[in-house]
Amino acid sequence: GAGVSQSPSNKVTEKGKDVELRCDPISGHTALYWYRQSLGQGLEFLIYFQGNSAPDKSGLPSDRFSAERTGGSVSTLTIQRTQQEDSAVYLCASTTRKAGAADTQYFGPGTRLTVL
Amino acid sequence: AQSVTQLGSHVSVSEGALVLLRCNYSSSVPPYLFWYVQYPNQGLQLLLKYTSAATLVKGINGFEAEFKKSETSFHLTKPSAHMSDAAEYFCAVSESGGYQKVTFGTGTKLQVIP
Repeated sequence: GAGVSQSPSNKVTEKGKDVELRCDPISGHTALYWYRQSLGQGLEFLIYFQGNSAPDKSGLPSDRFSAERTGGSVSTLTIQRTQQEDSAVYLCASTTRKAGAADTQYFGPGTRLTVL
Repeated sequence: AQSVTQLGSHVSVSEGALVLLRCNYSSSVPPYLFWYVQYPNQGLQLLLKYTSAATLVKGINGFEAEFKKSETSFHLTKPSAHMSDAAEYFCAVSESGGYQKVTFGTGTKLQVIP
């Protein structure tokens, strides 16, 4: 079946511009995560959505970052007034949440963001 | 708070040699532990996970890992490296009893030398 998809795959933008990154989770997965992967930094948790519960935004690095999930499915990560340090690969993952904390996360291919 | 430490950002092994990637964790409650692999230009995929059943966990592509509570370790091994194992490997931890916030390590890039 279809996996997690993300768009665009690559995004080049100028410093100060806003960008929107999209994630389509696997159908039926109720939990969705955003991570940031920078060179040599591993995966940095950004935000977590679970069903209709309030999202865990504790990983968002600044108020320039926001995310929403519409209808419990598609999610959009928005970065306002981009800075060069925002350059990274942004990964989205979804899980079924059947087993709680032991869930396997299914990752999308990522969006590579370059801020000039 | 939970955390994970991966020793060695880069590991090189010869084809056919033992692969050993180290992971140590910290968790205030019994953990769940994961190894994910990221092949070049691909997304992460699960290799194996420990969920408090058997301490020796077998995963895909001949990999296995052993949960050692006394050492707070979850090292990944494979008896014989193959060229196709060249990838970046991430250890991750989440805490049982709560919602699944997963903490990832910084990754270990495995190079296999022919």
